[in-house]
Amino acid sequence: GAGVSQSPRYKVAKRGQDVALRCDPISGHVSLFWYQQALGQGPEFLTYFQNEAQLDKSGLPSDRFFAERPEGSVSTLKIQRTQQEDSAVYLCASSFSGRQETQYFGPGTRLLVL
Amino acid sequence: AQRVTQPEKLLSVFKGAPVELKCNYSYSGSPELFWYVQYSRQRLQLLLRHISRESIKGFTADLNKGETSFHLKKPFAQEEDSAMYYCALTRHGSSNTGKLIFGQGTTLQVKP
Repeated sequence: GAGVSQSPRYKVAKRGQDVALRCDPISGHVSLFWYQQALGQGPEFLTYFQNEAQLDKSGLPSDRFFAERPEGSVSTLKIQRTQQEDSAVYLCASSFSGRQETQYFGPGTRLLVL
Repeated sequence: AQRVTQPEKLLSVFKGAPVELKCNYSYSGSPELFWYVQYSRQRLQLLLRHISRESIKGFTADLNKGETSFHLKKPFAQEEDSAMYYCALTRHGSSNTGKLIFGQGTTLQVKP
């Protein structure tokens, strides 16, 4: 079956612009994670959903970052008033139940803020 | 603080040589450790996890709680092992959400 998909794959935004990044998890996966990966670094946790409930948003770097998963499947990560430091690859991962289940990663969205 | 440290950004070996990718962690509770791999132009994928104690593609990793390490080893490197390797941990237990804490990654380059 299809894996985790993300769109767009690449996004160039002008500083101050709002962006929306989409994640389609594997069908039936309850848990969904967003990670941010800066150049030369490992992924860093942003937020976690169990179905439609956002149970952990401790990694969101500022109130400009907002994530939702209204129907418990597709998720959107929104960044308002983008800054240059937001330039990174944004990874989405899903797992069947969370906890110790294997996380399956999407290809990522590469965001460049000019 | 929870932290995963991979001290080498780049490890270069010749085909057939042994490989050891180092990973040290700092964690106050009981962690579960993973190795993830990203081959060129592919997505990040799980290589192995300590709890399953299995060997994948000839790689093994042993959790050493005394030294807080989870080094990845392979006795004879192959060119197809060239990739970026990330060590990661999550909290073990029923309250765990599964969120992963990653190291900075080590690029393994296997030369012919």
